Amino acid sequence: SQKIEQNSEALNIQEGKTATLTCNYTNYSPAYLQWYRQDPGRGPVFLLLIRENEKEKRKERLKVTFDTTLKQSLFHITASQPADSATYLCALADSSASKIIFGSGTRLSIRP
Amino acid sequence: DGGITQSPKYLFRKEGQNVTLSCEQNLNHDAMYWYRQDPGQGLRLIYYSQIVNDFQKGDIAEGYSVSREKKESFPLTVTSAQKNPTAFYLCASRNQAGGPSGEQFFGPGTRLTVL
Repeated sequence: SQKIEQNSEALNIQEGKTATLTCNYTNYSPAYLQWYRQDPGRGPVFLLLIRENEKEKRKERLKVTFDTTLKQSLFHITASQPADSATYLCALADSSASKIIFGSGTRLSIRP
Repeated sequence: DGGITQSPKYLFRKEGQNVTLSCEQNLNHDAMYWYRQDPGQGLRLIYYSQIVNDFQKGDIAEGYSVSREKKESFPLTVTSAQKNPTAFYLCASRNQAGGPSGEQFFGPGTRLTVL
């Protein structure tokens, strides 16, 4: 069955360092991959999308890579700030995009 | 929260009762979705609708029902057949005109607790 795995352990990073989150998937050939941010008690908010034919995407301090051979995406936050503390979800969809499959998320904490 | 409203924010239900969660969007999106989120788990798809008067079951539809009589509204009913309904429920919508890669916009969620 299709499966998405994200770091189940919370990630604690010192302010100013780069945070790197991992998303691995199996039994799936996604056309694109999305990353969302979720704060406690709130709905997820879209951050970035990367397509299967793209290796890397950047937006301000965010960078996403997509390796379809390794079946893995990496999400980087450079110059991390305490305000970046949240849970980050990856999501995959095929070309029909009728459904999107979400990972369980990784909780990121940035300490001052 | 992107033009999607969910109500109520907190909902308490007695066992054996049906309850309806509201979801309204003013984004003119065709597609709408209902997810359930449990602690430490990802979002699991309950139902989705890509057009008015049509909807499909997601991965965990048992014990739930929906309707899509208007483009703006996609209410979810949690029936007494749902054995473990306590969870955080999220509604989302997507603009399908943007192609298959369109992002989903989420509402603020409803936390349902069965007493």
